Amino acid sequence: QSALTQPPSASGSPGQSVTISCTGTSSDVGVYNYVSWYQQHPGKAPKLMIYEVSKRPSGVPDRFSGSKSGNTASLTVSGLQAEDEADYYCNSYAGSNNWGVFGTGTKVTVL
Amino acid sequence: EVQLVQSGAEVKKPGESLKISCKGSGYTFTTYWIGWVRQMPGKGLEWMGIIYPGDSDATYSPSFQGQVTISADKSISTAYLQWSSLKASDTAMYYCARAAVGSSVRYGMDVWGQGTTVTVSS
Repeated sequence: QSALTQPPSASGSPGQSVTISCTGTSSDVGVYNYVSWYQQHPGKAPKLMIYEVSKRPSGVPDRFSGSKSGNTASLTVSGLQAEDEADYYCNSYAGSNNWGVFGTGTKVTVL
Repeated sequence: EVQLVQSGAEVKKPGESLKISCKGSGYTFTTYWIGWVRQMPGKGLEWMGIIYPGDSDATYSPSFQGQVTISADKSISTAYLQWSSLKASDTAMYYCARAAVGSSVRYGMDVWGQGTTVTVSS
């Protein structure tokens, strides 16, 4: 199972929005609505930000939103804040024998 | 408070064996899948395998099948990741994580351990 494809980097100024794409295949992102997104600050463990494509766990700001179209899922961070600067990874369920595949990761920089 | 606490950093030589741990607390350990994730220095996240502590049913990613062993001791709410013969390429940070919905990992992993650094060097 190959990793999902994400852009290596994305950036935006404070207050702006940034959208990160996550491209998979018809065997994972395209067929299952089980895409999750994780935020990882340097030296820290990942944190679940979005699950089931667009749902936010309790405590995650509504500035974070997720969507999916075809084989590509997206994470949008609106109203960028300095603390949003981090690495972001998508993950998709790909069937009972392939429970998950991560994306390649995107470094978000707040200019 | 629901948490996963991992064992401390390890420094090993090639060929040595190692077993690291992940202790769950604040929830019913036996009813939530636990996953292990590798992050090599400066690299992304990789699934290694998952285990259901209730019956120790474990599944491995193809890349890690035969390279590591995942186990659990439900009596002490602890999951393990072990190697029988370490290689320099096993140098990485290893995280354990809990499924957000106990019965399946498809809904994401909502609780993560702090990570265990493993360094393998002669």
